[in-house]
Amino acid sequence: KQEVTQIPAALSVPEGENLVLNCSFTDSAIYNLQWFRQDPGKGLTSLLLIQSSQREQTSGRLNASLDKSSGRSTLYIAASQPGDSATYLCAVWGNDYKLSFGAGTTVTVRA
Amino acid sequence: DGGITQSPKYLFRKEGQNVTLSCEQNLNHDAMYWYRQDPGQGLRLIYYSQIVNDFQKGDIAEGYSVSREKKESFPLTVTSAQKNPTAFYLCASSKRDTIYEQYFGPGTRLTVT
Repeated sequence: KQEVTQIPAALSVPEGENLVLNCSFTDSAIYNLQWFRQDPGKGLTSLLLIQSSQREQTSGRLNASLDKSSGRSTLYIAASQPGDSATYLCAVWGNDYKLSFGAGTTVTVRA
Repeated sequence: DGGITQSPKYLFRKEGQNVTLSCEQNLNHDAMYWYRQDPGQGLRLIYYSQIVNDFQKGDIAEGYSVSREKKESFPLTVTSAQKNPTAFYLCASSKRDTIYEQYFGPGTRLTVT
């Protein structure tokens, strides 16, 4: 059974600092990996999707890397802003076409 | 606008009552999913459906039931058999082609007292 771990569970940084969020998974036979953002009491918003054949994906200040062989992905957020405060979830698509989620990293960016 | 709608946003029920949560999508996606989210935990899959008139149990299906009579709709019933029904419920959908990407609705917070 796929296990997805996100470290750290919570992170607090001053505005302007770069954020590094880690995700690890136990079964490297994945189809895709998705990073999501969740604001309190809201649904999930897809940030980035990395296909298993890709090494990284970028969107604006966000960059996500994928090392399938070691079972790791990292989400980088450059020059953080208070509006980046949220919970970030990593999820991997298995070959059974289901997502397995990590518990998330809750980020607070202090103004 | 294309998207996923869930209603209601907040739902309150007495213990012992069944309750049905609505999920509708106009993205023309084949697959739909129901998740449960509890504080401090990741999302857990309740049921999923890859096509109309077919659905499979997820990791925590006990006490829940679903139907998929239309492509656009995937309602979830929380029955009185569910021991701890108070939670945040999220519906999602995805296409079934070479790139799987999941999209989520805004969620329904169910409180059972």
